Amino acid sequence: ETGVTQSPTHLIKTRGQQVTLRCSSQSGHNTVSWYQQALGQGPQFIFQYYREEENGRGNFPPRFSGLQFPNYSSELNVNALELDDSALYLCASSLSGGASGEQFFGPGTRLTVL
Amino acid sequence: GQSLEQPSEVTAVEGAIVQINCTYQTSGFYGLSWYQQHDGGAPTFLSYNALDGLEETGRFSSFLSRSDSYGYLLLQELQMKDSASYFCAVREQGGSYIPTFGRGTSLIVHP
Repeated sequence: ETGVTQSPTHLIKTRGQQVTLRCSSQSGHNTVSWYQQALGQGPQFIFQYYREEENGRGNFPPRFSGLQFPNYSSELNVNALELDDSALYLCASSLSGGASGEQFFGPGTRLTVL
Repeated sequence: GQSLEQPSEVTAVEGAIVQINCTYQTSGFYGLSWYQQHDGGAPTFLSYNALDGLEETGRFSSFLSRSDSYGYLLLQELQMKDSASYFCAVREQGGSYIPTFGRGTSLIVHP
């Protein structure tokens, strides 16, 4: 059984650029959630995908968008990057929308916006 | 909306017992989860409470009181490796899944 993987591990971009982050869910999991974690803070929920449909969205602007593929892997796209977008981006996979409260997190992508 | 309060830092010695509290305000409560995160690592799921009472998993236990909008994580027989940040998270009731995490409690275990 493979765990949650994310790519890339680190990324440096400049303001105004666009970025795509990728996540492969744990084997058998049909739900992927994305979080932004600033230094010293808790993860902030961006959105969740369940069976390729968005199943909930946090308080993030539309320039944060996502996608889930038939194999349940997922992408997070951020357009028009801002300095405040610098953070650790985590994806987490779970079964059936995370009804049990249990999610399995990937190691994250550290994004730096200059 | 939802909000959670937990202490920013707790210190304890090896072998001791420590309790990390979490109070929450939410428009519709579904369940309370706890996660552990070591520096530079990913959050790891510890426990989940949807009903009142105590859930025990080895050295870790989690408690929930829905009437008091309060829960806690209890760590027994503390070990140095337990030094980490601990987050409580609530999920609101309803069709959409919108979890909210607290700001985290940094646990420092001294020898």
